[in-house]
Amino acid sequence: EVQLVESGGGLVQPGGSLRLSCAASGFTFSAYWMHWVRQAPGKGLVWVSRINSDGSSTSYADSVKGRFTISRDNAKNTLYLQMNSLRAEDTAVYYCAREMELLLGYDAFDIWGQGTMVTVSS
Amino acid sequence: DIQMTQSPSSLSASVGDRVTVTCRASQSISSFLNWYQQKPGKAPQLLIYAASSLQSGVPSRFSGSGSGTDFTLTISSLQPEDFATYYCQQSFSTPQTFGQGTKVEIK
Repeated sequence: EVQLVESGGGLVQPGGSLRLSCAASGFTFSAYWMHWVRQAPGKGLVWVSRINSDGSSTSYADSVKGRFTISRDNAKNTLYLQMNSLRAEDTAVYYCAREMELLLGYDAFDIWGQGTMVTVSS
Repeated sequence: DIQMTQSPSSLSASVGDRVTVTCRASQSISSFLNWYQQKPGKAPQLLIYAASSLQSGVPSRFSGSGSGTDFTLTISSLQPEDFATYYCQQSFSTPQTFGQGTKVEIK
Protein backbone atom coordinates (compact mmCIF):
# COMPACT_ATOMS: atom_id res chain seq x y z
CA GLU A 1 0.00 0.00 0.00
CA VAL A 2 1.27 3.44 -0.93
CA GLN A 3 1.56 5.37 2.30
CA LEU A 4 3.08 8.39 4.02
CA VAL A 5 3.23 8.50 7.81
CA GLU A 6 4.29 11.66 9.65
CA SER A 7 5.69 11.80 13.16
CA GLY A 8 7.53 14.18 15.45
CA GLY A 9 4.86 16.73 16.22
CA GLY A 10 4.14 17.99 19.70
CA LEU A 11 4.12 20.96 22.05
CA VAL A 12 7.14 23.27 21.93
CA GLN A 13 7.88 26.67 23.43
CA PRO A 14 8.32 29.75 21.26
CA GLY A 15 11.89 29.88 19.99
CA GLY A 16 12.24 26.12 20.25
CA SER A 17 12.95 23.46 17.65
CA LEU A 18 11.27 20.34 16.35
CA ARG A 19 12.03 17.83 13.62
CA LEU A 20 9.21 16.23 11.71
CA SER A 21 9.61 12.95 9.84
CA CYS A 22 7.57 11.45 7.03
CA ALA A 23 8.08 7.74 6.37
CA ALA A 24 7.20 6.57 2.88
CA SER A 25 6.26 3.04 1.86
CA GLY A 26 4.76 1.22 -1.10
CA PHE A 27 6.50 3.25 -3.79
CA THR A 28 9.97 4.23 -5.00
CA PHE A 29 10.49 7.20 -2.70
CA SER A 30 13.70 8.32 -4.39
CA ALA A 31 11.87 8.98 -7.66
CA TYR A 32 9.54 11.67 -6.36
CA TRP A 33 9.64 15.30 -5.34
CA MET A 34 8.13 15.77 -1.89
CA HIS A 35 6.39 18.64 -0.11
CA TRP A 36 5.31 19.85 3.31
CA VAL A 37 1.95 21.61 3.61
CA ARG A 38 0.50 22.98 6.84
CA GLN A 39 -2.94 23.88 8.12
CA ALA A 40 -3.50 26.09 11.14
CA PRO A 41 -6.52 25.18 13.27
CA GLY A 42 -9.70 26.06 11.39
CA LYS A 43 -7.77 27.54 8.48
CA GLY A 44 -6.83 26.58 4.94
CA LEU A 45 -3.91 24.74 3.38
CA VAL A 46 -0.58 26.53 3.08
CA TRP A 47 2.40 25.21 1.14
CA VAL A 48 5.58 25.20 3.24
CA SER A 49 8.46 23.59 1.39
CA ARG A 50 9.51 21.14 -1.31
CA ILE A 51 12.54 19.05 -2.17
CA ASN A 52 13.48 17.39 -5.43
CA SER A 53 14.02 13.67 -5.80
CA ASP A 54 17.74 13.54 -4.95
CA GLY A 55 17.68 16.32 -2.36
CA SER A 56 19.82 18.72 -4.34
CA SER A 57 17.16 21.41 -4.72
CA THR A 58 14.82 22.91 -2.13
CA SER A 59 12.31 25.72 -1.91
CA TYR A 60 10.52 27.44 0.98
CA ALA A 61 7.60 29.71 1.70
CA ASP A 62 8.75 33.19 2.72
CA SER A 63 7.15 32.70 6.15
CA VAL A 64 9.55 29.86 7.04
CA LYS A 65 12.64 30.71 4.99
CA GLY A 66 15.77 30.75 7.16
CA ARG A 67 14.02 28.90 10.00
CA PHE A 68 12.91 25.60 8.44
CA THR A 69 15.03 23.07 6.54
CA ILE A 70 13.64 20.28 4.39
CA SER A 71 15.75 17.20 3.74
CA ARG A 72 15.42 13.56 2.81
CA ASP A 73 17.18 10.24 3.26
CA ASN A 74 16.37 8.11 0.25
CA ALA A 75 18.07 5.10 1.80
CA LYS A 76 15.62 5.31 4.70
CA ASN A 77 12.63 6.38 2.56
CA THR A 78 12.11 9.32 4.88
CA LEU A 79 11.43 13.03 4.45
CA TYR A 80 12.26 15.52 7.18
CA LEU A 81 11.38 19.05 8.21
CA GLN A 82 13.70 20.67 10.74
CA MET A 83 11.88 23.59 12.32
CA ASN A 84 13.87 26.14 14.34
CA SER A 85 12.97 29.46 15.98
CA LEU A 86 9.36 28.37 16.17
CA ARG A 87 6.63 30.96 16.57
CA ALA A 88 3.02 30.78 17.72
CA GLU A 89 1.93 31.28 14.10
CA ASP A 90 3.68 28.02 13.15
CA THR A 91 1.02 26.12 15.12
CA ALA A 92 -0.62 23.79 12.61
CA VAL A 93 -1.11 20.28 11.36
CA TYR A 94 1.82 19.50 9.08
CA TYR A 95 1.25 17.18 6.13
CA CYS A 96 3.81 15.63 3.86
CA ALA A 97 2.68 15.03 0.29
CA ARG A 98 4.02 13.31 -2.81
CA GLU A 99 4.19 15.26 -6.05
CA MET A 100 3.22 13.14 -9.02
CA GLU A 101 3.37 13.99 -12.71
CA LEU A 102 -0.09 12.78 -13.69
CA LEU A 103 -0.08 14.23 -17.18
CA LEU A 104 2.99 15.33 -19.10
CA GLY A 105 4.13 18.50 -17.39
CA TYR A 106 1.21 18.60 -14.96
CA ASP A 107 1.87 17.78 -11.32
CA ALA A 108 -0.35 17.38 -8.29
CA PHE A 109 -0.11 16.10 -4.73
CA ASP A 110 -1.56 12.64 -5.13
CA ILE A 111 -0.57 11.03 -1.82
CA TRP A 112 -0.79 12.76 1.58
CA GLY A 113 0.14 11.66 5.06
CA GLN A 114 -2.34 11.81 7.94
CA GLY A 115 -0.65 14.87 9.40
CA THR A 116 1.16 15.64 12.64
CA MET A 117 0.16 18.47 14.98
CA VAL A 118 2.70 21.08 16.03
CA THR A 119 1.71 23.44 18.83
CA VAL A 120 3.95 26.39 19.69
CA SER A 121 2.98 27.80 23.05
CA SER A 122 4.46 28.72 26.38
CA ASP B 1 3.41 34.72 -5.67
CA ILE B 2 0.23 33.75 -7.52
CA GLN B 3 -2.89 34.39 -5.46
CA MET B 4 -5.80 31.95 -5.72
CA THR B 5 -9.28 33.18 -4.80
CA GLN B 6 -12.22 30.82 -4.39
CA SER B 7 -15.89 31.68 -4.32
CA PRO B 8 -18.06 31.23 -2.48
CA SER B 9 -16.30 30.64 0.86
CA SER B 10 -19.18 28.41 1.86
CA LEU B 11 -22.44 27.17 0.46
CA SER B 12 -25.41 25.16 1.59
CA ALA B 13 -26.87 22.56 -0.72
CA SER B 14 -29.12 19.52 -0.69
CA VAL B 15 -28.42 15.97 -1.76
CA GLY B 16 -28.94 15.78 -5.51
CA ASP B 17 -28.13 19.43 -6.15
CA ARG B 18 -25.68 20.58 -8.80
CA VAL B 19 -22.88 22.49 -7.09
CA THR B 20 -20.32 24.82 -8.64
CA VAL B 21 -17.20 26.24 -6.99
CA THR B 22 -15.10 28.88 -8.70
CA CYS B 23 -11.36 29.55 -8.44
CA ARG B 24 -9.59 32.58 -9.89
CA ALA B 25 -5.83 33.02 -10.28
CA SER B 26 -4.12 36.40 -10.01
CA GLN B 27 -2.31 35.70 -13.31
CA SER B 28 -2.64 33.18 -16.11
CA ILE B 29 -1.72 29.65 -15.05
CA SER B 30 -2.76 27.86 -18.26
CA SER B 31 -4.28 24.58 -17.04
CA PHE B 32 -1.98 24.12 -14.04
CA LEU B 33 -4.87 23.87 -11.60
CA ASN B 34 -5.73 21.08 -9.17
CA TRP B 35 -8.73 20.50 -6.90
CA TYR B 36 -8.69 18.73 -3.53
CA GLN B 37 -11.39 17.58 -1.13
CA GLN B 38 -10.83 17.62 2.61
CA LYS B 39 -13.12 16.15 5.24
CA PRO B 40 -12.86 17.16 8.92
CA GLY B 41 -9.83 15.67 10.65
CA LYS B 42 -8.58 14.06 7.43
CA ALA B 43 -5.86 14.80 4.91
CA PRO B 44 -6.81 16.38 1.59
CA GLN B 45 -7.50 14.07 -1.35
CA LEU B 46 -6.83 14.89 -4.99
CA LEU B 47 -9.95 15.11 -7.14
CA ILE B 48 -8.96 16.88 -10.36
CA TYR B 49 -5.59 17.69 -11.91
CA ALA B 50 -4.59 19.72 -14.95
CA ALA B 51 -7.88 21.63 -14.57
CA SER B 52 -10.12 18.92 -15.99
CA SER B 53 -8.58 15.45 -15.57
CA LEU B 54 -10.29 13.20 -13.05
CA GLN B 55 -7.97 11.46 -10.59
CA SER B 56 -8.24 7.68 -10.58
CA GLY B 57 -10.98 6.43 -8.28
CA VAL B 58 -12.84 9.74 -8.09
CA PRO B 59 -16.55 9.52 -8.99
CA SER B 60 -17.55 10.90 -12.37
CA ARG B 61 -20.01 13.35 -10.79
CA PHE B 62 -16.94 15.54 -10.15
CA SER B 63 -15.67 17.58 -13.08
CA GLY B 64 -13.38 20.52 -13.63
CA SER B 65 -13.09 23.13 -16.34
CA GLY B 66 -11.31 26.35 -17.21
CA SER B 67 -7.95 27.69 -18.26
CA GLY B 68 -5.97 30.87 -17.91
CA THR B 69 -7.28 32.55 -14.76
CA ASP B 70 -10.80 31.19 -14.24
CA PHE B 71 -11.64 27.65 -13.19
CA THR B 72 -14.67 25.71 -12.01
CA LEU B 73 -15.26 22.56 -10.00
CA THR B 74 -18.70 21.05 -10.54
CA ILE B 75 -20.44 18.29 -8.61
CA SER B 76 -23.30 17.18 -10.86
CA SER B 77 -25.44 15.54 -8.17
CA LEU B 78 -24.32 16.14 -4.59
CA GLN B 79 -24.05 13.01 -2.46
CA PRO B 80 -23.95 12.79 1.36
CA GLU B 81 -20.24 11.92 1.28
CA ASP B 82 -19.45 15.09 -0.70
CA PHE B 83 -20.05 17.44 2.20
CA ALA B 84 -16.51 18.69 2.77
CA THR B 85 -14.17 21.59 2.08
CA TYR B 86 -12.75 21.99 -1.42
CA TYR B 87 -9.46 23.67 -2.29
CA CYS B 88 -7.96 24.72 -5.59
CA GLN B 89 -4.17 24.79 -6.02
CA GLN B 90 -2.00 26.19 -8.78
CA SER B 91 1.00 24.12 -9.89
CA PHE B 92 2.23 26.69 -12.43
CA SER B 93 4.96 28.10 -10.21
CA THR B 94 6.53 27.84 -6.77
CA PRO B 95 5.10 28.47 -4.22
CA GLN B 96 2.23 26.22 -5.22
CA THR B 97 -0.49 28.30 -3.63
CA PHE B 98 -3.92 27.13 -2.53
CA GLY B 99 -7.23 28.92 -2.52
CA GLN B 100 -8.79 29.67 0.86
CA GLY B 101 -11.28 26.82 0.55
CA THR B 102 -15.01 26.40 -0.06
CA LYS B 103 -17.02 24.59 2.58
CA VAL B 104 -19.98 22.65 1.21
CA GLU B 105 -22.58 22.17 3.94
CA ILE B 106 -25.87 20.36 4.20
CA LYS B 107 -28.96 22.51 3.61
